[in-house]
Amino acid sequence: GENVEQHPSTLSVQEGDSAVIKCTYSDSASNYFPWYKQELGKGPQLIIDIRSNVGEKKDQRIAVTLNKTAKHFSLHITETQPEDSAVYFCAASIGETSGSRLTFGEGTQLTVNP
Amino acid sequence: DGGITQSPKYLFRKEGQNVTLSCEQNLNHDAMYWYRQDPGQGLRLIYYSQIVNDFQKGDIAEGYSVSREKKESFPLTVTSAQKNPTAFYLCASSIVGGLKSQYFGPGTRLLVL
Repeated sequence: GENVEQHPSTLSVQEGDSAVIKCTYSDSASNYFPWYKQELGKGPQLIIDIRSNVGEKKDQRIAVTLNKTAKHFSLHITETQPEDSAVYFCAASIGETSGSRLTFGEGTQLTVNP
Repeated sequence: DGGITQSPKYLFRKEGQNVTLSCEQNLNHDAMYWYRQDPGQGLRLIYYSQIVNDFQKGDIAEGYSVSREKKESFPLTVTSAQKNPTAFYLCASSIVGGLKSQYFGPGTRLLVL
């Protein structure tokens, strides 16, 4: 089955700096890659996603890049703010044939220091 | 408001007791999922269902059971066979087909007395 590895497990940045979280996946058939933000005691919220036919996607301060050849994808947050502090999860899915079943990374605890 | 609701927010289980966690969605999604989250870890899939009256085991189904009698509801029972049930349980839903993601409920924290 699919295996997703996520690094780093913890990341601390100063407010205004950029943060980058990286994930690798094992199944070359994976074609959908969402990112989730989870605040303490709450359910994960989808923040951005990318499909395998796209190399990069941006939404305001958040961007995701995908390298299918290397089987890795990354989340980039620019101009970080204290409210960005949370746990971030990447995930991968084979999509159509598996009915959107996701395999998750183990998460990155991001702390933005004021 | 459209969304996914889970109840209760906190649940306590005694030894040998079965408990049921509720998950309801009004998003008109066909697929629903249950995940378990342990401290400092990612989400592990327990069960999922893509259509009413049908469901499949995920990666850690032992000690759990589900039913899908209605499109809107996907309750999870943690049985006495689950020896380490203390965790945060998350329900999610999605459409079926196409590359669409899952939307999560607020979670239920299960603690063993």
